[in-house]
Amino acid sequence: NAGVMQNPRHLVRRRGQEARLRCSPMKGHSHVYWYRQLPEEGLKFMVYLQKENIIDESGMPKERFSAEFPKEGPSILRIQQVVRGDSAAYFCASSPPGRDSDTQYFGPGTRLTVL
Amino acid sequence: AQSVTQLGSHVSVSEGALVLLRCNYSSSVPPYLFWYVQYPNQGLQLLLKYTTGATLVKGINGFEAEFKKSETSFHLTKPSAHMSDAAEYFCAVIKAAGNKLTFGGGTRVLVKP
Repeated sequence: NAGVMQNPRHLVRRRGQEARLRCSPMKGHSHVYWYRQLPEEGLKFMVYLQKENIIDESGMPKERFSAEFPKEGPSILRIQQVVRGDSAAYFCASSPPGRDSDTQYFGPGTRLTVL
Repeated sequence: AQSVTQLGSHVSVSEGALVLLRCNYSSSVPPYLFWYVQYPNQGLQLLLKYTTGATLVKGINGFEAEFKKSETSFHLTKPSAHMSDAAEYFCAVIKAAGNKLTFGGGTRVLVKP
């Protein structure tokens, strides 16, 4: 059973461009979470999604950031008009339904560098 | 609101010595508690978790942690450090399933030969 997949692993963007980060959860997992790890800071929650629904977006910046988890395909974290402060590692996690739903399994992350 | 405090952002241990990483939490309800490990340029790997039941939890790679409600602590230990244990360790808390993880600031472990 493949783990959580994220791509790209590394992404370089110039200021003002758009960044699209993709996350495919583990097979059978229906919950997806996005976290951000800024340099010298800890991991911070951004958003929690289930298929076609945003459940909790309390950690998302109010502007430029959006997330989706469509019925088919991976979850996408989209950052419009990137700025240098968006440079960070972005991690996706997934959890299964049912008994083990309290446990989140993490992907390898996408490291975004904004020039 | 929940919070997690990890005492010591850096810990240095000798190979073969005890590893002790401290974690204290605050939560309005009994939480679920987790330890994750992050190797350089990689994602987080689950070491162990406590939800209910036995308060001493054993995880992978010889690590264990004990939930002490009276001390609101969930310290991580390993009797004998190995060079491969050099990594960053994160304590995290969740209120219930389907909730966001709140992480401590992380402790970076250096293992000296």
